[in-house]
Amino acid sequence: DGGITQSPKYLFRKEGQNVTLSCEQNLNHDAMYWYRQDPGQGLRLIYYSQIVNDFQKGDIAEGYSVSREKKESFPLTVTSAQKNPTAFYLCASSDRVSQPQHFGDGTRLSIL
Amino acid sequence: SQKIEQNSEALNIQEGKTATLTCNYTNYSPAYLQWYRQDPGRGPVFLLLIRENEKEKRKERLKVTFDTTLKQSLFHITASQPADSATYLCALGEFTWDTGRRALTFGSGTRLQVQP
Repeated sequence: DGGITQSPKYLFRKEGQNVTLSCEQNLNHDAMYWYRQDPGQGLRLIYYSQIVNDFQKGDIAEGYSVSREKKESFPLTVTSAQKNPTAFYLCASSDRVSQPQHFGDGTRLSIL
Repeated sequence: SQKIEQNSEALNIQEGKTATLTCNYTNYSPAYLQWYRQDPGRGPVFLLLIRENEKEKRKERLKVTFDTTLKQSLFHITASQPADSATYLCALGEFTWDTGRRALTFGSGTRLQVQP
């Protein structure tokens, strides 16, 4: 079955540490996205990519970095510069940016 | 400032009734609007998309309306069932000419609880 796989489901970060969240899709979608969701809040866009080797900052990109070297993969690195990283991180993909998005089941990141 | 408002209070209704959820927005000119369902601990699932030139869209027991004059979308679930209990998110899509960026902006969602 086609879909989006995020791993790990739970992740713990120590102070000063960078961590990388994985996102893989086998839907052959061109566009991929990373969102952050805090309790009781909507999804906020961190980064998105419309095509391989290209990505744009979203609304809250500071403290995060991404790469898009392959169509099916869009990993997100939460750097030590992100001072409040505890949140639920969601990856999504779509055929084109304006099309409905398919989401993974998220990674919950916590600080040790 | 731009704002998307969904009722933050949970909506409780009896099984079999119609649930109506509201999405209001200010300072947006959306080209389209999408509705998603999110269950606890899971990613959102796409339900319906409606474009700015469409008044209404239907899919099985779901209906969405889009009034660009009122700056409002209504999402209806008819003959609601306990399995419909979830959080429902609206998302606006617009094209910003200065950056060429197309992006979805999500509301915070409304939790629906259908009582048996």
